[in-house]
Amino acid sequence: GEDVEQSLFLSVREGDSSVINCTYTDSSSTYLYWYKQEPGAGLQLLTYIFSNMDMKQDQRLTVLLNKKDKHLSLRIADTQTGDSAIYFCADSHPQAGTALIFGKGTTLSVSS
Amino acid sequence: NAGVTQTPKFQVLKTGQSMTLQCAQDMNHNSMYWYRQDPGMGLRLIYYSASEGTTDKGEVPNGYNVSRLNKREFSLRLESAAPSQTSVYFCASSEAYGGVNRGYTFGSGTRLTVV
Repeated sequence: GEDVEQSLFLSVREGDSSVINCTYTDSSSTYLYWYKQEPGAGLQLLTYIFSNMDMKQDQRLTVLLNKKDKHLSLRIADTQTGDSAIYFCADSHPQAGTALIFGKGTTLSVSS
Repeated sequence: NAGVTQTPKFQVLKTGQSMTLQCAQDMNHNSMYWYRQDPGMGLRLIYYSASEGTTDKGEVPNGYNVSRLNKREFSLRLESAAPSQTSVYFCASSEAYGGVNRGYTFGSGTRLTVV
């Protein structure tokens, strides 16, 4: 099975909150990551959370980590049309040293 | 600007041709990586280099070779291109202390089409 799973699509209205969910399997990870990819561009590191934390807040972004359920979520408050992008959850790669393994990405569509 | 530079940005190859994708970083990172991104498949690790002088296979290494030329540069070579290698290729680098990755910096990608 996949090591990192995400739902593929999320559609919200401008001003609403968006919540993107992710499940992972490697319980030894030190960090878990969220990346953002805009059309035609590479991935940008959006935020990350240390594995001994339950929550991290960074302006409009809130990351929640439930280690027991191996569940990670990214909440974007007051979602804007500029937040439309693909969001990737990433975990330590189970077979490849310092590499990361990515989920397939959640496409966030924000309508005005 | 500091970061990861990939060349070329676009390339069309005929089946059987060879080419090398170049990647260079100027952040003094130890580790470098090559991924491919395909619709519905996410990003898959092709090869990685944990430090200068070392390279290792990732999930999908068949049909590719890599060279870690020095600390800055990590190239990906397709010896005999196949249509299945049509993809967007991303290079990334990271600093890793004690085996812990602190997050990648990605290049802007190379869009490769094999006809």
